[in-house]
Amino acid sequence: GEDVEQSLFLSVREGDSSVINCTYTDSSSTYLYWYKQEPGAGLQLLTYIFSNMDMKQDQRLTVLLNKKDKHLSLRIADTQTGDSAIYFCAESTGGYQKVTFGTGTKLQVIP
Amino acid sequence: GAVVSQHPSRVICKSGTSVKIECRSLDFQATTMFWYRQFPKQSLMLMATSNEGSKATYEQGVEKDKFLINHASLTLSTLTVTSAHPEDSSFYICSAELQLRGGGYTFGSGTRLTVV
Repeated sequence: GEDVEQSLFLSVREGDSSVINCTYTDSSSTYLYWYKQEPGAGLQLLTYIFSNMDMKQDQRLTVLLNKKDKHLSLRIADTQTGDSAIYFCAESTGGYQKVTFGTGTKLQVIP
Repeated sequence: GAVVSQHPSRVICKSGTSVKIECRSLDFQATTMFWYRQFPKQSLMLMATSNEGSKATYEQGVEKDKFLINHASLTLSTLTVTSAHPEDSSFYICSAELQLRGGGYTFGSGTRLTVV
């Protein structure tokens, strides 16, 4: 079945760039998402990318997609303490089709 | 490993009826499960935190009497949408925390509820 994997933990210093990586197995994935979960809160959609795109940039966030290797990454420039959260990678084949989530990467930003 | 099975994947029900959604951890014990709801073109919203053997903790704005959560065992949590209305139509997904596997979360495959 579909599988989405990501490392569990990442620690960076404030002001540095953070790169959170994700790999997936479903070659029919159409949408790839990055969600953020702050302590005590629900999942917040940060950004998404269609499978026919290689890159998407939105302010401090850059998403890179290597479809051949089924590798997705989220780069956060100038990481701030407010970026400390759990980041989930997810994929789906579209619309309200099944969404498969990774286990989440806990980002710790050190002041 | 670490699979959460959610059932059903799709359900259509009539207004006024109740629908039960099951979330089952297949190869691990989940003392805490989370229930989310996704509105169209929006993020998943945390509805409630389900704790085995105790009452669920509901997020602000979520009606406890409408969305009944039962977590009677370490492997099963259920969400019952009571007296369903068309505005309850949504995508519901459960999640469990992998406390004994180094951390992280695993998600069910979601339930698409349509109330007609």
